[in-house]
Order: sequence, then C-alpha cells, then structure tokens
Amino acid sequence: AQTVTQSQPEMSVQEAETVTLSCTYDTSESDYYLFWYKQPPSRQMILVIRQEAYKQQNATENRFSVNFQKAAKSFSLKISDSQLGDAAMYFCAYRSANYGGSQGNLIFGKGTKLSVKP
Amino acid sequence: DTAVSQTPKYLVTQMGNDKSIKCEQNLGHDTMYWYKQDSKKFLKIMFSYNNKELIINETVPNRFSPKSPDKAHLNLHINSLELGDSAVYFCASSPRTSGGFEQYFGPGTRLTVT
Repeated sequence: AQTVTQSQPEMSVQEAETVTLSCTYDTSESDYYLFWYKQPPSRQMILVIRQEAYKQQNATENRFSVNFQKAAKSFSLKISDSQLGDAAMYFCAYRSANYGGSQGNLIFGKGTKLSVKP
Repeated sequence: DTAVSQTPKYLVTQMGNDKSIKCEQNLGHDTMYWYKQDSKKFLKIMFSYNNKELIINETVPNRFSPKSPDKAHLNLHINSLELGDSAVYFCASSPRTSGGFEQYFGPGTRLTVT
C-alpha cells in the first residue's frame, strides 16, 4: 500500500521569504501523480500544484514550485515570496495512475501547518 | 456557480441518531468521493463511486452508506451515530477514475455527535 509522510507538523516563514515543505512517499508503482493541496481556515481544499511522475521537469505555478526526486521518492513544495494568505494547512497527496480498485483515491499525508509572520 | 456543494455545512446531533449529508457536483464528472478528516486534520478516503462501481474503504463501518440517485449526487447516510464519528466530511469529484485530474472538493460538513 502507498503511504505519504510529511515530517514537519508545523512551519513558520517571514512574509516575503521562501519556505520549503517536505513530503516523502512510498510506492511500488512507476506511474502516479503527486499533489499539494492547501486548506486555509475556511477548510476548503484547494489544489496548489500537481506533478506527473513520468515527467522529469518540476512543476511550477507562479510562486509555488516543487522539487520532485523520483528515485528518492521525495516531493517538496517551495513557496517563494510568502504572503499572509499562504497561511494554511498543506497536504501532500498521492494518486495511482492505474485503473483498478482504488479508483484514483487520493492518499494524503498528515499535513503541515504553515504560519506566515508579517 | 459552486462546483461541488454539500449540505449541511454544520451538523450537530446526538448519539444513536441517523443522519445524511448531501453532495452535488455540477461539473459533469464521472467519479465522486467521500473523505473523512479527523480532529488531527488527517484526511482519509471512505468511498469512491462512479456510475458503475462503488469502492468502500475496508476500515469504514457499515453504518456508513453512500447513495447515488444520479451521476451528479453522492449522499452519505450514517446510522446509529457514535461519538467517534465526529469529524469533517468532504465530498469530492473528478472527471475520471484515474489519471492526474484534479479532485474538486466541497466545502466540508462538520459533524458533531454529542
């Protein structure tokens, strides 16, 4: 079974600075997708960024980028120029690319609570 | 227009009661899901469903049952509520059952069992 581990329960960053959130995962599959979701206090789950495992190039979305290391099974999220609105829980998630019983369920890590200091 | 909606957003009830949470998506997606987020914020899949197949997480008690009247709806029924059922329940949908498609989440329903 696949597992996702976020080893940092809480992180803090100064406004305008850069922070990196860590995520590792375990799988025997070669094809899969990885996601970072953001959950602000409103509790709405918002997709931040996604990475296809077959792509070597790291995904970027504006101030958000990932460092995907497939061999190391690592998928960290870098937030540049942090803003107050970035304060939230961040969840790393895994999704199999295979058809089958899981039907594409997301497997989540336990989350990292990010605080942004003004 | 809200893509994935859930009602109610808050639900307070007593142990032993039966309750339902409704979920609707207007995205035309094939697959819908229910996730449970516990008090430590851990999110875990409960069910996934498309118009052909229901997949149940083996750890989900059979007091929980999803019901889909049509492709756009996946409601969650809970019988004989217990204190441990208190959590936030999220409905989600995606275009297909696999692939890198984003799962769109509803706003969540906070269930409190007293």
